[in-house]
Amino acid sequence: AQTVTQSQPEMSVQEAETVTLSCTYDTSESDYYLFWYKQPPSRQMILVIRQEAYKQQNATENRFSVNFQKAAKSFSLKISDSQLGDAAMYFCAYKGSNYQLIWGAGTKLIIKP
Amino acid sequence: NAGVTQTPKFQVLKTGQSMTLQCAQDMNHEYMSWYRQDPGMGLRLIHYSVGAGITDQGEVPNGYNVSRSTTEDFPLRLLSAAPSQTSVYFCASKQGFYSNQPQHFGDGTRLSIL
Repeated sequence: AQTVTQSQPEMSVQEAETVTLSCTYDTSESDYYLFWYKQPPSRQMILVIRQEAYKQQNATENRFSVNFQKAAKSFSLKISDSQLGDAAMYFCAYKGSNYQLIWGAGTKLIIKP
Repeated sequence: NAGVTQTPKFQVLKTGQSMTLQCAQDMNHEYMSWYRQDPGMGLRLIHYSVGAGITDQGEVPNGYNVSRSTTEDFPLRLLSAAPSQTSVYFCASKQGFYSNQPQHFGDGTRLSIL
């Protein structure tokens, strides 16, 4: 069975600096999708970025980018120029051949002003 | 456009009581699902539906029932609430089961069982 591991329960970063959140996963599949979701205190789950495993190019969305290492089964999220509004729980999720999402436990990101 | 709407946002129940969490979407999505979110854990799938009249169990279905009589609505029922069901519940939808588009989430229902 697939698993998703986020080893950092909490991270903090100074405003305007860069932070990287880690995610590793375990799978025997070769074709899958990976996602990062943001959950602010409002509880709403917001898609930040997604990566298709067959694409070698790392996905980028404005200040958010990923470092996808397929062989290492690693999918880290880099947030550049951190802003106060980035403070939230961040969840990594995997979607494989059964089309269901498997979620990591989340990382709480704190932004220091 | 409302997206996915969950009601209520908060609820407190006593052990043994029953209740229904409501979920409605206005995007004509075929696929809908219910998750629970507990501290220190990722979201876990309770039940899902690939279309009206079709439901199936997820990872943690025990203690919960669902039905899907219309495309728009996917209520989650707790028949006899237990303290272990204290959690935040999320409803989500996407176009179809095989769609690779991301799911749309509701704002969640925080449920406390005393």
